[in-house]
Amino acid sequence: GAVVSQHPSWVICKSGTSVKIECRSLDFQATTMFWYRQFPKQSLMLMATSNEGSKATYEQGVEKDKFLINHASLTLSTLTVTSAHPEDSSFYICSARGSGRAGETQYFGPGTRLLVL
Amino acid sequence: SQQGEEDPQALSIQEGENATMNCSYKTSINNLQWYRQNSGRGLVHLILIRSNEREKHSGRLRVTLDTSKKSSSLLITASRAADTASYFCATDAGWDYKLSFGAGTTVTVRA
Repeated sequence: GAVVSQHPSWVICKSGTSVKIECRSLDFQATTMFWYRQFPKQSLMLMATSNEGSKATYEQGVEKDKFLINHASLTLSTLTVTSAHPEDSSFYICSARGSGRAGETQYFGPGTRLLVL
Repeated sequence: SQQGEEDPQALSIQEGENATMNCSYKTSINNLQWYRQNSGRGLVHLILIRSNEREKHSGRLRVTLDTSKKSSSLLITASRAADTASYFCATDAGWDYKLSFGAGTTVTVRA
């Protein structure tokens, strides 16, 4: 199946700093990428949808100035958590889909665990 | 937003037994997908079943879909210790390919 990578897999930062997470589709062109957040023992909550070359669409309740998303190419999307605070500590997962009927399936990255001290 | 509910929340079985988990949803869908997540890892896609399909198989996995009841089930036959994971159903209900995830079922397979 298609491969999606995320970098870094782990990040620990001080409160107030910004953290950038990269999501790459390695063997296909991703028409759309999605960013999710997952708290321990809970399900995934969609944060935003990212289409290449256009602005991201954020879900209700997600601060777009807090979570900056850039989808500069068909294989790369980035999520920047700005001025991170301890409550932003979470597991962030991206997914990517191709085009056409193959795009029905989302392929997920391995996730990035963020700990804000 | 989440529209799926899964039951049971947790399931513990002996190796070799079958595991069945169910997913219910609220709105009409384009397709329903099942994913597996090992602890602290990303999600692995298992099966996609479209709204006009009733049953699909993939190896030891069998998925059914009943759109009249707005429910789906995932059966894992002859379970192995490596099947220990959380299983999520996700529904695709719109034009934008967004997925709405259920709460998940945690499966523990005892050796």
